[in-house]
Order: sequence, then structure tokens, then C-alpha cells
Amino acid sequence: ILNVEQSPQSLHVQEGDSTNFTCSFPSSNFYALHWYRWETAKSPEALFVMTLNGDEKKKGRISATLNTKEGYSYLYIKGSQPEDSATYLCAHNTGNQFYFGTGTSLTVIP
Amino acid sequence: KAGVTQTPRYLIKTRGQQVTLSCSPISGHRSVSWYQQTPGQGLQFLFEYFSETQRNKGNFPGRFSGRQFSNSRSEMNVSTLELGDSALYLCASTPWGSSYEQYFGPGTRLTVT
Repeated sequence: ILNVEQSPQSLHVQEGDSTNFTCSFPSSNFYALHWYRWETAKSPEALFVMTLNGDEKKKGRISATLNTKEGYSYLYIKGSQPEDSATYLCAHNTGNQFYFGTGTSLTVIP
Repeated sequence: KAGVTQTPRYLIKTRGQQVTLSCSPISGHRSVSWYQQTPGQGLQFLFEYFSETQRNKGNFPGRFSGRQFSNSRSEMNVSTLELGDSALYLCASTPWGSSYEQYFGPGTRLTVT
């Protein structure tokens, strides 16, 4: 069993604040690291897929980095907006299976 | 393109009963994976089907089973329901030739009383 851990479990920030979350994963059997955004009552939506150590991806105000040697990834949100409120999931892809963390629940207060 | 659809969206069953959940993948996708989410747990992998064959299986008891049809639609079945089976069940479809992409459905919320 591969344990993927995310921290913090939940986060409340003021509109305009920048924030970041952590995803830790076993560095063995690494194929890819995925970040998803999951709003209540909707389907999880893919944000980023990262495969190489040192990868950095960016989509608007959201970016992510990857360190496969030490087994962690960071997700950054710059200037949080209320519409960023969601649960952010990471998943470690071994090529055969996805192992998900429990997510970080972000609430952005207007 | 239509997304992944799951039916029903909500279901209430009694302990001991059995249940069947359905997942229709995105057109052209041949792989379907199933996940269970219970409170405080990450998505737990149940199984993956590709071209009507189970390709991978997670660590769940034999009460959980699935199948895939020739049109790639998939069903999962849980027999002899237990209270602990109450969960959100998500399916995800993957395009042919990709190990990176998973497109999720909205899930089926199962409550066992």
C-alpha cells in the first residue's frame, strides 16, 4: 500500500491571500503525480499532471511543483478568490494504479 | 463530448441487500476505474476494467465485483451490503493509450441503513 498524505486537511483564507498545500508520496514506483480540484456535488477536475523531477506547471493563478526524489509536491494559489473554494486532491500514479490523498479543503472567505 | 455519467446519483439500501451501480465512460474511452470514498479516507481504488477484462484490482473483499460491456459501459455490484459500505462511489474513464488521464463522473452516493 502506498500512502499519499496531504496537508493541511483544511484551510480558511481571506480573499486575495496566497496559499499553498503539500502532497507527500512514496518516491518509489513513481510514474506521475496528479492534482485535482473537486467542488462539492461535482466531478473531480484534473488540474495538473507532472512526471519529471523539478516539473513546474501553471494554470492562471494556480501552480504546482514536483520533487520526486524526496516525494513531495506543492500546489500554490496566488490571490485566492471565492471560486477557488474546493477540495484539492493529489494522486500518485504508479502506472498501474492511482493512490489518492484525503485532500485539502480550501475555503476562501470574501 | 459528453462527460462520464453515473447512475443512480443517490441510493438507499438496507443491510444484507445487494446493489448495482452503473458508469458510462466518455465516448471512445475503453478503460473504466472505480473508487470508493468514505469520510476521512482518500479515494480507494476498487478495480479497473479495460476491453471487458479486469486489469487491476484493489484491496476490497469479494463482495465487490464489477464488469464491463462491449460498449465500455461498466457496472459494479456490492452484495450483502454492510453499514460500512455507505460511501460515494466514483468511476473514471481513461482514453485509449493514456496512463495519465482520468475523467471522473459525479459519483453515486450509497447509504446503507
